[in-house]
Amino acid sequence: ETGVTQTPRHLVMGMTNKKSLKCEQHLGHNAMYWYKQSAKKPLELMFVYNFKEQTENNSVPSRFSPECPNSSHLFLHLHTLQPEDSALYLCASSHAAGRDEQYFGPGTRLTVT
Amino acid sequence: AQSVTQLDSQVPVFEEAPVELRCNYSSSVSVYLFWYVQYPNQGLQLLLKYLSGSTLVKGINGFEAEFNKSQTSFHLRKPSVHISDTAEYFCAVSANTDKLIFGTGTRLQVFP
Repeated sequence: ETGVTQTPRHLVMGMTNKKSLKCEQHLGHNAMYWYKQSAKKPLELMFVYNFKEQTENNSVPSRFSPECPNSSHLFLHLHTLQPEDSALYLCASSHAAGRDEQYFGPGTRLTVT
Repeated sequence: AQSVTQLDSQVPVFEEAPVELRCNYSSSVSVYLFWYVQYPNQGLQLLLKYLSGSTLVKGINGFEAEFNKSQTSFHLRKPSVHISDTAEYFCAVSANTDKLIFGTGTRLQVFP
């Protein structure tokens, strides 16, 4: 498989659940990103990992917890979410963090009930 | 700090007509500029990018954009659109940081 893949594509969870989103890139990139895309709002950068080290946490609530075990995999662990966290969560990767173009996965559509 | 403004939230156009999607940025340093497209239920796909050199950049699907430093603009154009161009288009800027700053997007709706 090529490019950036994300699983699951759709997720419905209650506010007390714990779930994880997974992202995998097959491009040999060293930087990975989590974005949140909500209706009528700009794309929001959540986290940046460069060579497995977190270099950006854009004031994201602690109910979102990222994990980057290696340069190819990125997780977003979710717990005690709120309905306003419902959105499309996009993963992206690039050769290195900075000015390189980013390649996006198809996203996970999350609904919090 | 950098910022991106996409002046039009929606652009309706008939098939085979030309289209321009506007993008303005602000930055105190030199920038890289990007246009991405997002089709329904998909992630973002790179259309084209400006890094340096020629100010007219050609991308995929017949799109092109022109970097204008004096007007701090990077407008996207296509001389003749197709129904399949219906999508959301995002302009993005990157300066001396490890992140892209995205605009709010422009919804291009092509009618037959």
